[in-house]
Amino acid sequence: EIVLTQSPGTLSLSPGERATLSCRASQSVSSSYLAWYQQKPGQAPRLLIYGASSRATGIPDRFSGSGSGTDFTLTISRLEPEDFAVYYCQQYGSSPTFGQGTKVEIK
Amino acid sequence: QVQLVQSGAEVKKPGASVKVSCKASGYTFTSYGISWVRQAPGQGLEWMGWISAYNGNTNYAQKLQGRVTMTTDTSTSTAYMELRSLRSDDTAVYYCARDSYNWNDGVAFDIWGQGTMVTVSS
Repeated sequence: EIVLTQSPGTLSLSPGERATLSCRASQSVSSSYLAWYQQKPGQAPRLLIYGASSRATGIPDRFSGSGSGTDFTLTISRLEPEDFAVYYCQQYGSSPTFGQGTKVEIK
Repeated sequence: QVQLVQSGAEVKKPGASVKVSCKASGYTFTSYGISWVRQAPGQGLEWMGWISAYNGNTNYAQKLQGRVTMTTDTSTSTAYMELRSLRSDDTAVYYCARDSYNWNDGVAFDIWGQGTMVTVSS
C-alpha cells in the first residue's frame, strides 16, 4: 500500500496569501496518478486536481498542482474566503489511498 | 446534471449489517465504476473498494475483505455497498464516488454522492 504523508497538518493564513501544501508518497506514484480534493464541513470532497497538475472542470486557476514520483504540491496562489477547508491528496494508481489531510484555517 | 444520490442515515446495533445505495443519473452508468469511501467522525478518508458497473468486477480494501460486498443494479443505475458484522468503529459517513469501469485505469473520483451517516451503537 502506498502511504501518503501530508504537511503541514494545519496552515494558518490570511485571505490573499499564498498557500503551499505538500504530499509525499512512500513509493513512486505511477503515471502521476495523484489527485487533490477539497472538503468543507458537512460536505463531500470535491476534486480539484488530477494527474498531479490538471485542474478539474470548473476549478479556478488560483489552484495549481505540481510534482512527480514521490513529491507533490498543491498551491493556492491567493486565498479567497471560500478556500478555507481541509485538503486531501490521493493516489489512484493502485489500490487508492488518501493522505491524512491539511487544514487551511483563517489566521 | 451528473449526480450520485445516496440513501438516508442508518442506525445499527453491533453485529448487524447495513446496505447503502447510490443512484446515478446524468451519465451512462455502465461506462463507469463506483468506489466507496468512508470517513469516521473527525477523521480522514478511507477507500473501501471498487465495483465496475460495466461487468460487476470488484476489488476490496484488504482490511474489509470478508465483511463488505459491493453490487450494482444496471436496470436502475444503482450501486450498493453492504457491510456486515458491524462494530462501533464502523461509525462513519459513507460516500460513493464515480470511478473507472476498469480496475487501475487511473481515474480520479470526479463525482461524489452526498454521503450516508451510519451509526453503530448498542
